[in-house]
Amino acid sequence: DGGITQSPKYLFRKEGQNVTLSCEQNLNHDAMYWYRQDPGQGLRLIYYSQIVNDFQKGDIAEGYSVSREKKESFPLTVTSAQKNPTAFYLCASSQQNTEAFFGQGTRLTVV
Amino acid sequence: AQSVTQLDSQVPVFEEAPVELRCNYSSSVSVYLFWYVQYPNQGLQLLLKYLSGSTLVKGINGFEAEFNKSQTSFHLRKPSVHISDTAEYFCAVSAGGNQGGKLIFGQGTELSVKP
Repeated sequence: DGGITQSPKYLFRKEGQNVTLSCEQNLNHDAMYWYRQDPGQGLRLIYYSQIVNDFQKGDIAEGYSVSREKKESFPLTVTSAQKNPTAFYLCASSQQNTEAFFGQGTRLTVV
Repeated sequence: AQSVTQLDSQVPVFEEAPVELRCNYSSSVSVYLFWYVQYPNQGLQLLLKYLSGSTLVKGINGFEAEFNKSQTSFHLRKPSVHISDTAEYFCAVSAGGNQGGKLIFGQGTELSVKP
């Protein structure tokens, strides 16, 4: 089955720790995206990548980092600089002129 | 800059009644328009999309939407809802092209279908 796999589904982070969220796609899409969702709000774009080895900041990139070493993978690191990391994180991919396909999300909680 | 406004944060409706979820957008360029549905603790699933062509778009699960360029609206409708339609619905716009997945979302509308 083609799709987007995010792992883990739930993640707990201690104060001051960096954590990495995984996103893998087998849709052969060029572009990949990370969104953050908070209760009562829509999704906001963190980072996106249109091609391997290249990525751009979205609207709320501070405190996050990404890499795009392979077409299939776009991991997101939530660094200790992110002051309010508790949220639901969604990864997506798309091809030119088509809609975005989303993964099932990772719920990150600071403990 | 693009923006999306979903006019209702919550819409309660009885089973088998019709429903309309309202979405207005603003953009200085041509846009692609989408409606996504989200069930609790899950990702987003595409309901329907407007890329070009006919302004009346039909999607999955009996939903449809109409693109109205003059009113910059893209309202979602269903003639008869089911309990299983209870979910959160998001309207989104993109500039399309290579950035089709670079979306601006509305804040969501929680649809609650009651028996």
